[in-house]
Amino acid sequence: EADIYQTPRYLVIGTGKKITLECSQTMGHDKMYWYQQDPGMELHLIHYSYGVNSTEKGDLSSESTVSRIRTEHFPLTLESARPSHTSQYLCASSERSESGYTFGSGTRLTVV
Amino acid sequence: QKEVEQNSGPLSVPEGAIASLNCTYSDRGSQSFFWYRQYSGKSPELIMSIYSNGDKEDGRFTAQLNKASQYVSLLIRDSQPSDSATYLCAVRTSGSARQLTFGSGTQLTVLP
Repeated sequence: EADIYQTPRYLVIGTGKKITLECSQTMGHDKMYWYQQDPGMELHLIHYSYGVNSTEKGDLSSESTVSRIRTEHFPLTLESARPSHTSQYLCASSERSESGYTFGSGTRLTVV
Repeated sequence: QKEVEQNSGPLSVPEGAIASLNCTYSDRGSQSFFWYRQYSGKSPELIMSIYSNGDKEDGRFTAQLNKASQYVSLLIRDSQPSDSATYLCAVRTSGSARQLTFGSGTQLTVLP
């Protein structure tokens, strides 16, 4: 049973459009993360947050932005989608620094 | 050298055999270690965590940690076709203490 939710599950969008990928968790976790993963490839951290009003960029250079206005909500926004943004985007959260992550079901984005 | 390295795979084992998945890490100060299972097209699912040297068993899964050798492994006993997936090793390194560093994964196929 998922306690971390991502919407939409699939999205096909045209080049240049602005999109927001939603991620919400009901576990009260302070720490949340966004990863990008191409099929059969590694996970790449693109953004993370350790609490409300705290956001940091990850290891992978990204043209996306995130916000953390509420503990349970961590949306990711692409201001102008490009075909190179086509990928799977995974949101995760964790309870404590030493805990593992719980992942959402992901958003598979295709930019045409 | 990557911080977390896994068998390049793919690994194939017959049904009922023991599957052995290996992971090495470079940061000697690493404290927490996790194994995730990821089915094709799905998000990673946490299956094991281990924090101290030795073995930890959960059903058919056993995680083994050897901090002196900087080595963590996952054994799957009585492998089933439903175990066919990519297995990701994740390590909480001391350098990025509040984030997990993921290996590139080992693809396991259990042959009926």
